[in-house]
Amino acid sequence: DSGVTQTPKHLITATGQRVTLRCSPRSGDLSVYWYQQSLDQGLQFLIQYYNGEERAKGNILERFSAQQFPDLHSELNLSSLELGDSALYFCASSVGTGKLSVYEQYFGPGTRLTVT
Amino acid sequence: SQELEQSPQSLIVQEGKNLTINCTSSKTLYGLYWYKQKYGEGLIFLMMLQKGGEEKSHEKITAKLDEKKQQSSLHITASQPSHAGIYLCGAGTYSGAGSYQLTFGKGTKLSVIP
Repeated sequence: DSGVTQTPKHLITATGQRVTLRCSPRSGDLSVYWYQQSLDQGLQFLIQYYNGEERAKGNILERFSAQQFPDLHSELNLSSLELGDSALYFCASSVGTGKLSVYEQYFGPGTRLTVT
Repeated sequence: SQELEQSPQSLIVQEGKNLTINCTSSKTLYGLYWYKQKYGEGLIFLMMLQKGGEEKSHEKITAKLDEKKQQSSLHITASQPSHAGIYLCGAGTYSGAGSYQLTFGKGTKLSVIP
């Protein structure tokens, strides 16, 4: 158990709908990262938050957005869902972030999203 | 952008045999991470390497970082069925704005035959 929790574990929804995925980082971790894993694209970095502020953006679609709340949990919002958005969505956390410093990232169990 | 190539893509070994998985980066490495994933499940953190020449071990798994070659290797000694899974390497890169993100390889699928 990494200490990172994600809910829900599974989500099935229809095209055009909007869903919210939730992540609670490990105790003491200030940084939260979101990743998408699909069979064709592999594991792709989406976005990072550190202590409530957006720090890095990867291959995140405009239909997707995220935020980190004062209690450090994070939510990933996916809207106008398409069949191609079906994937495993992972949240990871680390204690810090910064230039020339690297930190261990611990992953949650993931949310499996199926868009029908 | 950073690209990571893992080899081999898949590996089938007899229990008790040693094996090595390689991860090669197209760019300078700022942190190299190794994870293990069971199909459809979360990633289990194995090790993080930062400096050239660094070597870390956890139980029967050893990882090394060759900074000059921009390459890392993961070696499993006396493999067991519990080692089966997908091994992913991830490399850290910095953007111009100083943000840090991980890029992952496609993974190496390991099967261990009892």
